[in-house]
Amino acid sequence: AQKITQTQPGMFVQEKEAVTLDCTYDTSDQSYGLFWYKQPSSGEMIFLIYQGSYDEQNATEGRYSLNFQKARKSANLVISASQLGDSAMYFCAMRELTGTASKLTFGTGTRLQVTL
Amino acid sequence: DGGITQSPKYLFRKEGQNVTLSCEQNLNHDAMYWYRQDPGQGLRLIYYSQIVNDFQKGDIAEGYSVSREKKESFPLTVTSAQKNPTAFYLCASSMVWGGTGHNGYTFGSGTRLTVV
Repeated sequence: AQKITQTQPGMFVQEKEAVTLDCTYDTSDQSYGLFWYKQPSSGEMIFLIYQGSYDEQNATEGRYSLNFQKARKSANLVISASQLGDSAMYFCAMRELTGTASKLTFGTGTRLQVTL
Repeated sequence: DGGITQSPKYLFRKEGQNVTLSCEQNLNHDAMYWYRQDPGQGLRLIYYSQIVNDFQKGDIAEGYSVSREKKESFPLTVTSAQKNPTAFYLCASSMVWGGTGHNGYTFGSGTRLTVV
């Protein structure tokens, strides 16, 4: 069984500052993938960034970067230069491959509020 | 444009009634998924399907049923056996192995179900 843990129910950050959202995971698989999604109040799930378990470099997508520490089983999301539009729920998720099936398991999320 | 369409956006159900949520995709994805989200919570997997005419239970399948008669469609029925069906339901699709990054999982815009 796999598990995703997000320990920060809510976070505040000032506009233009950087913020780190924590995510730890638990799996016995060697091959897995880690995703971060943003969910605004409208409910849609917006893909932000992906890290494969065999990727040696940390993933980056614009203002988003993923601090991947495999030995510690952590995959923290770093948002640089926060904007008011970044206020939303953020979910960490892990893909598990089991034979011909794949499943995506989510953490409980972190609500980020960007302030002026 | 390719994507996933969920309907209806809002659904009201009387206690004791079955209701069916629609999910259609034109991405040619083999795999489809149903998730449930409660307020302030993460997404929990209800059912998933890797191929037509086959599907597997997720973590919270009790009180739900699905069918996968066509590759494009994966409807979810919330039965009267589901004790607390009021929630936000999200449908997703992916290539069978889950994909990576932007080519990974695509989500619909969700259906908000309320029991009245």
